[in-house]
Amino acid sequence: QVTLKESGPGMLQPSKTLSLTCSFSGFSLSTSGMVVSWIRQPSGKSLEWLAAIDWDGDKYYNPSLKSRLTVSKDTSNTQVFLKITSVDIADTATYYCARQDPFDYWGQGVMVTVSS
Amino acid sequence: DVVLTQTPPTLLATIGQSVSISCRSSQSLLHSNGNTYLNWLLQRTGQSPQPLIYLVSKLESGVPNRFSGSGSGTDFTLKISGVEAEDLGVYYCMQFTHYPPTFGGGTKLELK
Repeated sequence: QVTLKESGPGMLQPSKTLSLTCSFSGFSLSTSGMVVSWIRQPSGKSLEWLAAIDWDGDKYYNPSLKSRLTVSKDTSNTQVFLKITSVDIADTATYYCARQDPFDYWGQGVMVTVSS
Repeated sequence: DVVLTQTPPTLLATIGQSVSISCRSSQSLLHSNGNTYLNWLLQRTGQSPQPLIYLVSKLESGVPNRFSGSGSGTDFTLKISGVEAEDLGVYYCMQFTHYPPTFGGGTKLELK
């Protein structure tokens, strides 16, 4: 059974660095072809793909946010991390991780609020 | 980036009615490997997106067969043949033929 679960700080101040964790089970990121993505959704709005990391450690970023994003994975290939630097109010959203290709499993999401 | 335009933005339906949602892409979603990476998702209120259809027309496991997807190139359609109460929510199309993956603006299905 494939499951993914996001975790994060809940709230943080502008200009800080947001650190998110995606913990998953039921598959391994060491399997050839496996990719895990991060997607976010501001309240009442559509979805925005942020970044992904594949089984080989290759990383992919949304060009619009690339300078602020860092995606990584742990050595056990059961967790993926996302860091977003210099957050501001526009980064307030629910953040999801999903197994990519074909985005068949999504986590429940973690809500992040940026506020002073 | 590929822009996906969904219409209509809101869809009012009665139970049992058949409805369709359109998703138009700003460029062809046919990949050089022959696949078209166009998915449909349903997001019920307060929930995470639930995959319905992948590769244009393939139903995810457990998805009722009243859902169907069709299309090619830049024009795609999701059809629900006989809306049920559990189908209410916001439908999104998404593509990952081209990086970055992008999502449509959503179509909200409500009861008339």
